[in-house]
Amino acid sequence: AQSVTQLDSHVSVSEGTPVLLRCNYSSSYSPSLFWYVQHPNKGLQLLLKYTSAATLVKGINGFEAEFKKSETSFHLTKPSAHMSDAAEYFCVVSDRAGTYKYIFGTGTRLKVLA
Amino acid sequence: ETGVTQSPTHLIKTRGQQVTLRCSSQSGHNTVSWYQQALGQGPQFIFQYYREEENGRGNFPPRFSGLQFPNYSSELNVNALELDDSALYLCASSYPGQGAHGELFFGEGSRLTVL
Repeated sequence: AQSVTQLDSHVSVSEGTPVLLRCNYSSSYSPSLFWYVQHPNKGLQLLLKYTSAATLVKGINGFEAEFKKSETSFHLTKPSAHMSDAAEYFCVVSDRAGTYKYIFGTGTRLKVLA
Repeated sequence: ETGVTQSPTHLIKTRGQQVTLRCSSQSGHNTVSWYQQALGQGPQFIFQYYREEENGRGNFPPRFSGLQFPNYSSELNVNALELDDSALYLCASSYPGQGAHGELFFGEGSRLTVL
């Protein structure tokens, strides 16, 4: 069975400082991994996805994530936080190749301090 | 391109009642999935529909049922509502052919409160 664990339920950073949201996954075969963001009263938006073509994945709004098979991790980073980054972030693994059943982590709420 | 739209956005029901939630998929998408997101939790997969057939189901009881129509829109029906059914229900559409890395496009959800 596949699963994801988001290691922090809440992260607070100051505006302009780096962001690190941690995610570990468990998968019996090569996974598909995603990061989604959910702003209050908004739908989930895809930030980036791991396609197996490159281990360092660049997404929207300056976010990126690195797939590390040896550590079973897919941490999300951003060099400089902006106030608009405050939201809930979900790490997601797909259930199996060819289907679209997503398995979500429990989420990390990012707070950006002025 | 029209995104995924869901209705109603908010509704309140009482225990034992039945509810129907609706979803219009994104243009060109013929697969629809439904997720339940309880407060403070990540979304959980309910089921998926492809070409009007259920194509996978999560750990939800049979009182959760669905339909997909020829225009690819979808309904989620929940019978005999329980307090624990209070949640945000998310619809997501996708277009097969993306392989193992398919992106889901989510609507903003229907927030159901069961009293």
